[in-house]
Amino acid sequence: DAGVIQSPRHEVTEMGQEVTLRCKPISGHNSLFWYRQTMMRGLELLIYFNNNVPIDDSGMPEDRFSAKMPNASFSTLKIQPSEPRDSAVYFCASTSLGSLSALHFGNGTRLTVT
Amino acid sequence: AQSVTQLGSHVSVSEGALVLLRCNYSSSVPPYLFWYVQYPNQGLQLLLKYTTGATLVKGINGFEAEFKKSETSFHLTKPSAHMSDAAEYFCAVSPANTGTASKLTFGTGTRLQVTL
Repeated sequence: DAGVIQSPRHEVTEMGQEVTLRCKPISGHNSLFWYRQTMMRGLELLIYFNNNVPIDDSGMPEDRFSAKMPNASFSTLKIQPSEPRDSAVYFCASTSLGSLSALHFGNGTRLTVT
Repeated sequence: AQSVTQLGSHVSVSEGALVLLRCNYSSSVPPYLFWYVQYPNQGLQLLLKYTTGATLVKGINGFEAEFKKSETSFHLTKPSAHMSDAAEYFCAVSPANTGTASKLTFGTGTRLQVTL
């Protein structure tokens, strides 16, 4: 079991640039979640997918944020244009829909926007 | 709607002492409850969970938690702290009426420090 894989682990970019974060869920899992963690706001759910379909994106802060899941083994979170206040650790997590299994988290992407 | 309150953003205990991390929840429907641990520069790992059945649940690394409906609490305990327990701990709640334990609402976390 390779776990949830996120890339890159660290991303440093300048304000205004486009940032793309990537996630590969655990094979067989059909629910995928994107969380953001900051000191000020803690862990916030941004969006989640069931069977590759976005179910709830109410946590996406602004239109600058978008997420896709083109297939069961890959998801992206894009920020365009990025701003310094987007600096945070972004986590991807997956689980099996309809089960009582808990979320499995990746190691996160630490984003710094200067 | 659900929410989680973790009392104490920082807790410090001596090695060998009892660990008690507090969690109270609010939920309009029966909850599923979880504790996760986060080590530096890592993602969250599941410590234990309550979904149905026995209200005292045991998890990894000697931790356990008890679901007390009357107190709306799910406190995390460990009889004897070890240096390796130093980490941040998150309590989380999910509505039980969805039949899935996925959509979690997290508390703000408690950082546990273990001293010699």
